[in-house]
Amino acid sequence: GAVVSQHPSRVICKSGTSVKIECRSLDFQATTMFWYRQFPKKSLMLMATSNEGSKATYEQGVEKDKFLINHASLTLSTLTVTSAHPEDSSFYICSARVSAEAFFGQGTRLTVV
Amino acid sequence: QQQVKQSPQSLIVQKGGISIINCAYENTAFDYFPWYQQFPGKGPALLIAIRPDVSEKKEGRFTISFNKSAKQFSLHIMDSQPGDSATYFCAATQYNFNKFYFGSGTKLNVKP
Repeated sequence: GAVVSQHPSRVICKSGTSVKIECRSLDFQATTMFWYRQFPKKSLMLMATSNEGSKATYEQGVEKDKFLINHASLTLSTLTVTSAHPEDSSFYICSARVSAEAFFGQGTRLTVV
Repeated sequence: QQQVKQSPQSLIVQKGGISIINCAYENTAFDYFPWYQQFPGKGPALLIAIRPDVSEKKEGRFTISFNKSAKQFSLHIMDSQPGDSATYFCAATQYNFNKFYFGSGTKLNVKP
């Protein structure tokens, strides 16, 4: 299957700083990628759909200015958590769709201290 | 409105037993139903998927049963092993549409 690589796998940052998470499709081109947030023992919550060359589409309730998404190429989408606060601590996962299937990155554990 | 409902929330099965996880969906336009397996600290990985033109799909120890009229589908894990202990998510989508709708997840614990 297709490979989606997410980096970093873990990051700890100080409150008020920004953190960038990268999501790469290694062996295919992804015009669309998805960003999810997952709370402990909870399901995947879609945050936004990232479209190459255009603005991301955010789900209701997700702050666009806080979670900046850039999809500048067909193989790279980035999520930047700006002015991070402890409540932003979570597991963030990216995904790309190939035909009917969704392939996920390894996830990024963000801890804001 | 929750598009995909999953049960049970957690499941304990003895080694060698059968694990059964159920999902129900609302939107009759859905035409692709995958199951994902997620280990702690990792992203979900596709386990098996089915389209509504068949009622059952089997891959090794994993079987999806699909009931289109009832809008339900289930995952059966035969001969469950401790290595199957993970969280399982069902999902539904339209084949030519972007968004996936996920169930709430089932944490499976297979006891040796």
